[in-house]
Amino acid sequence: GAVVSQHPSWVICKSGTSVKIECRSLDFQATTMFWYRQFPKQSLMLMATSNEGSKATYEQGVEKDKFLINHASLTLSTLTVTSAHPEDSSFYICSITGAPKEFTEAFFGQGTRLTVV
Amino acid sequence: SQQGEEDPQALSIQEGENATMNCSYKTSINNLQWYRQNSGRGLVHLILIRSNEREKHSGRLRVTLDTSKKSSSLLITASRAADTASYFCATAIGIVDMRFGAGTRLTVKP
Repeated sequence: GAVVSQHPSWVICKSGTSVKIECRSLDFQATTMFWYRQFPKQSLMLMATSNEGSKATYEQGVEKDKFLINHASLTLSTLTVTSAHPEDSSFYICSITGAPKEFTEAFFGQGTRLTVV
Repeated sequence: SQQGEEDPQALSIQEGENATMNCSYKTSINNLQWYRQNSGRGLVHLILIRSNEREKHSGRLRVTLDTSKKSSSLLITASRAADTASYFCATAIGIVDMRFGAGTRLTVKP
C-alpha cells in the first residue's frame, strides 16, 4: 500500500502562534488528501478534503481561515493551524486514498500530536 | 460528521478469547472498512467489505455486513495481547468520502 509520512509527530507551541503540519505521500500521487482531528478517546472527525491544485473543501463547523490547507503538489499537503489556542490541542491525522481509481482503502500518516500551551 | 455508532465502547478480554465489535451506520454505503489504531498512532487498514458482500475473512479477522440493518461486526478470534488497540469502522459513501464510527477500545489481558 501507499506510504504516508506526516511531520512533525508531535509539537508544542505557544498560544497565538501558528503551526504547520506536513503530509507527504511517498510513493503515490495523491490528488486528494484528507485531514482529520481526533480528541482523546474519540473517533476521527473529518476536517477537510484537500484537493491538489484547488481549494480545500471544509466540513461544516471547521473554520477555513483557522485551518489553512495547501495541496500544492501531488505528494504534499499541509495543514496550518493559525493563531493556535489550547482548545486546538488535538491529534491531527492525514490520509490518502486510491484516487482516481474507485475508492478502496485509505492510508494514514502516523499523526501529529499538537499541544498548545 | 460521524457516520455511525460502535459498540461496545470498551471491551476487555483474556488472551485466547474471541472479541466481537459491532458497528452501525446511517446512510447507504459503497463499502465498509475496519481500521485499527494503537494509542497515539495513525490508523492501519484491516479489512474492506463491499456493499454486495456479506462476510469476509482475513487471518484471525472475520467481518460481516448486513446492509438491511445497516450494521457490521468484526470478530477477532484467539485474541492476543498485541491485539490491544482501538478499532474503528469506516463507511465510504461516495468515491472518496469516508466517515468513522466512534470506535471500540479493546484490551486483551495476557
